[in-house]
Amino acid sequence: EEQLVESGGGLVKPGGSLRLSCAASGFPLSPYTMNWIRQAPGKGLEWVSSISGSSGYIYYADSVSGRFTISRDNAQNSLFLQMDSLRAEDTAVYYCARDPSYFGVFAPDRWGQGTLVTVSS
Amino acid sequence: IVLTQSPGTLSLSPGERATLSCRASLSIGGAYLAWYQLKPGQAPRLLIYGTSSRATGIPDRFSGSGSGTDFTLTISRLEAEDFAVYYCHHYGTSPPERLTFGGGTKVEIK
Repeated sequence: EEQLVESGGGLVKPGGSLRLSCAASGFPLSPYTMNWIRQAPGKGLEWVSSISGSSGYIYYADSVSGRFTISRDNAQNSLFLQMDSLRAEDTAVYYCARDPSYFGVFAPDRWGQGTLVTVSS
Repeated sequence: IVLTQSPGTLSLSPGERATLSCRASLSIGGAYLAWYQLKPGQAPRLLIYGTSSRATGIPDRFSGSGSGTDFTLTISRLEAEDFAVYYCHHYGTSPPERLTFGGGTKVEIK
């Protein structure tokens, strides 16, 4: 079964750091662009960052650029998000999501269940 | 591109038809419009991609249509498990339009 499982969320003080992980199973990660997408409490979905299969291109939303760093380890079938200088407005459930555009489907088709990040003093 | 979904909440009974709207601020290609279902504590579920193609395992009571700036998700006969929040999505290729989502429509039991 194809699966994505996020981990690493928790409670952190403003200005602190967290590193999220996303473990893929049931499929090889390497062909896929991968994304982090978040949902703040009571809000909609917000794209955070994307990384291509070979890490050749990386994109960030303006709201996290300069503070968050996306990376991946295809050998370990894993995706990461290093979050620094965290702010209260970063509080959200963070999802990793697979992007099958390489295969002609232009919508993330497999998502994890998410990990909750709470930024509060 | 801004995606505006309406209505914000849809109150319906099981067996009824649900019609959800998504309007884009600019014309978008049909290949790049998708719909998702979200339930608390669960992974978001891709329902429709490319405006009208059902994702793997999605029942045929879900259908998508539209073009240009106006898109629709229709649930022909609501079942108990369909009461959830639905988001439309535009797939962009580079920031700031990388991946954009509408504000969501909640389908609740009347």
